[in-house]
Amino acid sequence: NAGVTQTPKFRVLKTGQSMTLLCAQDMNHEYMYWYRQDPGMGLRLIHYSVGEGTTAKGEVPDGYNVSRLKKQNFLLGLESAAPSQTSVYFCASRLDGYTEAFFGQGTRLTVV
Amino acid sequence: DAKTTQPPSMDCAEGRAANLPCNHSTISGNEYVYWYRQIHSQGPQYIIHGLKNNETNEMASLIITEDRKSSTLILPHATLRDTAVYYCIVTSNSGGSNYKLTFGKGTLLTVNP
Repeated sequence: NAGVTQTPKFRVLKTGQSMTLLCAQDMNHEYMYWYRQDPGMGLRLIHYSVGEGTTAKGEVPDGYNVSRLKKQNFLLGLESAAPSQTSVYFCASRLDGYTEAFFGQGTRLTVV
Repeated sequence: DAKTTQPPSMDCAEGRAANLPCNHSTISGNEYVYWYRQIHSQGPQYIIHGLKNNETNEMASLIITEDRKSSTLILPHATLRDTAVYYCIVTSNSGGSNYKLTFGKGTLLTVNP
């Protein structure tokens, strides 16, 4: 039981490049979330999903897209990376609205 | 979701109880209080949650006031490993836009030797 796994753990991008961050969970959870955390700040919700095939915008969705084609995977895409997207990205999942969320260990992304 | 207010930082001596307050004066009847913590740069970790009754588990106790406008997370015997940012979150479990799990800035608890 791996829990929530984020891939990759580290990445450096050049401005304008694109990439996809993968979040995988093996707990059969319905809800999945993507957050970003900038230095000295709390977590800010980017997008979330309440089930396979559904996604919704969080607090800071601009510049990101997501997909939830399979229940166990939640993908976060950056189409044209900008230095302002340099951050640590966390994924989380939970079974339903009544239970605790489990977080991945984060992806540290630097855009130069 | 109701907003929460937490002190930005607190100190606690090792071995003593750490009492972390959270104000959520606009909480509604179907909203729960959740506590998470984040140690250094790791992913946040769930601690405890409650609706209106006090709750206790192996990690901590949660005391919610009778009017539910504030709560206190209690770590009964703080250790150096409890140094972390603690987040208080208020959210409904009844669906709609409240599927979101929104974090504030939290309280940095520093446990001193």
